[in-house]
Amino acid sequence: DAGVIQSPRHEVTEMGQEVTLRCKPISGHNSLFWYRQTMMRGLELLIYFNNNVPIDDSGMPEDRFSAKMPNASFSTLKIQPSEPRDSAVYFCASSPMGQGELDYTFGSGTRLTVV
Amino acid sequence: DQQVKQNSPSLSVQEGRISILNCDYTNSMFDYFLWYKKYPAEGPTFLISISSIKDKNEDGRFTVFLNKSAKHLSLHIVPSQPGDSAVYFCAASVYGNQFYFGTGTSLTVIP
Repeated sequence: DAGVIQSPRHEVTEMGQEVTLRCKPISGHNSLFWYRQTMMRGLELLIYFNNNVPIDDSGMPEDRFSAKMPNASFSTLKIQPSEPRDSAVYFCASSPMGQGELDYTFGSGTRLTVV
Repeated sequence: DQQVKQNSPSLSVQEGRISILNCDYTNSMFDYFLWYKKYPAEGPTFLISISSIKDKNEDGRFTVFLNKSAKHLSLHIVPSQPGDSAVYFCAASVYGNQFYFGTGTSLTVIP
């Protein structure tokens, strides 16, 4: 398996623009997580899905952030409109939660810069 | 509110010596703990785990200790190697539920 695949690796955008981050989880994993890494808060959980259903989105900072998982092999995190304070590395992770293994597999991340 | 805390943002250790990375948590319900290692421009990768029924788990040069009464865990790396230089995250969960991560400790092993 190619692991968790995130795209793009880097994104530079202007303030006010819409940004869409993409994630393909490991086949067979039933849980998907979006994290944001910042110096102050470390790895901060934004939202997670179980069997394509959002379970906990309490970490989504505000209404400008939205996430979807239309099927088991694809998820998006959208920021509209983007702001400079959204600049961070965004990670997607997947896990076979409830199926024995308890650790997450992370993607390589998307480094977002909003100017 | 940060449920998992790593109070040392950075640590430097000489090659061959022991590295000790610390992690504290606030939720007494947490019963499963992980350590992840992260190199620059890569995603975190799983390193070692421990459940609350144990107080120690060892895997080669890496040992994790859990002190449930103090709500504290630590990762020991012996001997430290330059390739161990990375950011280390601890994570905690109530078994089967989402993990909460700490802010990370950047370890530098000096040759």
